[in-house]
This record gives sequence, structure tokens and C-alpha cells, in this order.
Amino acid sequence: QQQVKQSPQSLIVQKGGISIINCAYENTAFDYFPWYQQFPGKGPALLIAIRPDVSEKKEGRFTISFNKSAKQFSLHIMDSQPGDSATYFCAASRGNDMRFGAGTRLTVKP
Amino acid sequence: GAGVSQTPSNKVTEKGKYVELRCDPISGHTALYWYRQSLGQGPEFLIYFQGTGAADDSGLPNDRFFAVRPEGSVSTLKIQRTERGDSAVYLCASSLNRGGEQFFGPGTRLTVL
Repeated sequence: QQQVKQSPQSLIVQKGGISIINCAYENTAFDYFPWYQQFPGKGPALLIAIRPDVSEKKEGRFTISFNKSAKQFSLHIMDSQPGDSATYFCAASRGNDMRFGAGTRLTVKP
Repeated sequence: GAGVSQTPSNKVTEKGKYVELRCDPISGHTALYWYRQSLGQGPEFLIYFQGTGAADDSGLPNDRFFAVRPEGSVSTLKIQRTERGDSAVYLCASSLNRGGEQFFGPGTRLTVL
């Protein structure tokens, strides 16, 4: 079964705009929620991650918002740049058990 | 230092053949993971090694799939009697220890004709 649901599948944003990607999880045992960025032909690379004891984490232009009661979390990319164009995956994990969303293909138009 | 490396980068084989995919993790990382990524999907967990032992192989789809890590470093994913449905990108990741940040390799794209 799909334990992590991600939306939208694809997203087109103008340069300078805000990109928002949403994820929902089912298993309340998950205790680590990373976001990965993947460029074509490359493996996923960790972008930013959060644990459920905080509701928000910001690193530069990237912010995770976390809603434990709703079992949802989202990635916000501020001032989106063409170089941000990639596929983004959310994930939820506990220990070695990591489940990924299906991914969002982000295109930032110049 | 070097990241996770995987060889080959691409592998084309015929249905029914045997293939081996290799992963070189980051030096010193005790945990190693294999994932399978189908087109348009996120990585799907296959197997996790802690040191030399397969601590969790619950993601292996069937007994045609097997993985080893004999010296606690390099790992090989082995697929017997390949089927067209095995076509995917096989990703390897390593982390310093269990539950730590996972660093992914570039993957091996397997195509079964």
C-alpha cells in the first residue's frame, strides 16, 4: 500500500514564485521526514528534513511545514529559480524503514 | 571524499539472464540500502544491510533477487532469471549508521529486453 502520498505530480512556477509540494503519511510511527531533490540521471540528494517535534524548519529558500495531527507535511521553495527544476520526493521513515512519495516534477520558467 | 558509486551505470540484458549490480558505499558507512525506482515513481525499498548482515530484506519482491555484502563494504545485488518487469533504476544508498542520513548513488539503469 502507498504509505506516503505526494501531490501534485507536476508543477510549473515562474521564476521568483513560490513552489509548494504536499505530502501525507499514514504510519504514526514515522519519526523523520526528509525531502529529496533528484536531477535526471542522478540519485536523490537530501534537501532538508524535519522531525515531528517541530512544526517548521527553514534552510535558506527551503521550508518544511509539518502538521503532526493531520499527518501532513509540505515543502515550500521561496524565490524559485530555474536551477530548482528537478523532481522532488518526500519521504517518511523510522530507523531503516523509509517510504517515498511518488515525486513531483518541478519546472521553474525563466 | 567520494560519494556512493554504482556500476554499471547502464545494463541491458535479455529475459531469463542473470545480472549483478555493484554498489560501493561511502567509506566508513555501516548501513547500506538498495532501492528500486520505476519510471515516474519514488524509490522503493528492497534490502538493508547493517555491516555484513542483511538486517531487513522484506522489500525483495521474490526469491530471484538476492544481495550480499561479504566484507561490510561493497554490496552486490543479484537478479536471477530476469523478467521485463525488473526493468528499473536500482539505487544504492549508505548511511553512517542505522537511521542516519542516506546518501544515494547515481543508480544502475537495468533494461530487460
